[in-house]
Amino acid sequence: EDQVTQSPEALRLQEGESSSLNCSYTVSGLRGLFWYRQDPGKGPEFLFTLYSAGEEKEKERLKATLTKKESFLHITAPKPEDSATYLCAVQARSSNTGKLIFGQGTTLQVKP
Amino acid sequence: ETGVTQSPTHLIKTRGQQVTLRCSSQSGHNTVSWYQQALGQGPQFIFQYYREEENGRGNFPPRFSGLQFPNYSSELNVNALELDDSALYLCASSSVGQDGYTFGSGTRLTVV
Repeated sequence: EDQVTQSPEALRLQEGESSSLNCSYTVSGLRGLFWYRQDPGKGPEFLFTLYSAGEEKEKERLKATLTKKESFLHITAPKPEDSATYLCAVQARSSNTGKLIFGQGTTLQVKP
Repeated sequence: ETGVTQSPTHLIKTRGQQVTLRCSSQSGHNTVSWYQQALGQGPQFIFQYYREEENGRGNFPPRFSGLQFPNYSSELNVNALELDDSALYLCASSSVGQDGYTFGSGTRLTVV
């Protein structure tokens, strides 16, 4: 069964304290792995798509990496405005519907 | 780009009632998906529409149904509401070749 597990569930950082969020996945052939940011009461906001092991993408203080079993979202020198829930999702190559399978998310709080 | 717009933003219904949620997809997007997000969980795939036809469904009963219109707007209908249907309902749209999906801000449904 296709599955996504994110850890930790919650993470508190001081401003400037770098860290990483983990997304472990099991999927019958990966078409893509997606990272989204979600603010309270809002819909997910697209950050990155990764397609193959070894791929990396960066955006401001965020960097996403991918292996055959997991993805990491590295946050360098975070600021309070980076506080949000970060969601990881996979899309299976066998899916003809575009269905995304999400993890439960990691809630990040960055304190000034 | 006009983004993905969902209405209403909040809704309170009584158990057993029926509800219709609406989504206006981003201009040029011909695929729309609906997701249910319970509090503290990741979104779960309900179904997807492409060119006005349902082309995939998640583990949701038939009382969850939908429509997609020629202008790519969409509806999610839920009959015989149950307390467990209380959640944030998200609409996501995409177009061929797009990297990632664009989500709306969601409709918060509370069933009492």
